[in-house]
Amino acid sequence: QTVVTQEPSFSVSPGGTVTLTCALRSGSVSPSHYPSWYRQTPGQAPRTLIYNTNTRSFGVPDRFSGSVLGNKAALTITGAQADDESDYYCVLYVGSGIWVFGGGTRLTVL
Amino acid sequence: QVQLVESGGGVVQPGGSLRLSCEASGFTFSGYAMHWVRQAPGKGLEWVTFIWYDGGNKYYADSMRGRVAISKDNSKTMLYLQMSRLRVEDTAVYYCGRGIGAGNSPIDHWGQGTLVTVSS
Repeated sequence: QTVVTQEPSFSVSPGGTVTLTCALRSGSVSPSHYPSWYRQTPGQAPRTLIYNTNTRSFGVPDRFSGSVLGNKAALTITGAQADDESDYYCVLYVGSGIWVFGGGTRLTVL
Repeated sequence: QVQLVESGGGVVQPGGSLRLSCEASGFTFSGYAMHWVRQAPGKGLEWVTFIWYDGGNKYYADSMRGRVAISKDNSKTMLYLQMSRLRVEDTAVYYCGRGIGAGNSPIDHWGQGTLVTVSS
């Protein structure tokens, strides 16, 4: 069974930069996994931030960027704001029509 | 604008069945793949299933394979998830999501979700 891992939690100072990562327990992440990122606040539906490694979804500010760094997918947030405090999830396509979400990262801005 | 509205959630006994619906509007439904994703209370997102734009290809997570069936009625712009032999651990909010393309593609738009509670 494919496992996708994310940092369980992360903190960033207001105005700061943070990079969240998304890894495969076995293997390297590449653009062929179509890494995508979502943000969710409690009680709300997820919102798409980034898809296919680095394409921002409609209306997402350019403070959010996606990439592949080494063997992981990465979501970088620059100029962190208080309302960036959310849960962030990545998803990877692992082949044969199967998608797997990471466990999510809870980002604290303080 | 893209809108996805789920319905059909509720309370069901273990071993029971339920059909979830997702009504789509604001885009050419027949041209897009669609997903179902669930989230158990206090837990993370879990991908459940995915269907190509024309309904020709369907894929399922191991956790629900054999107990769920995804379908897509392009004439009614509706997505469905038929669930059977439900277990307590299937309790979750179920979200439908639109893929960014016609085939294998991640979600770009999400519905608000519908809650399924499996309990005796």
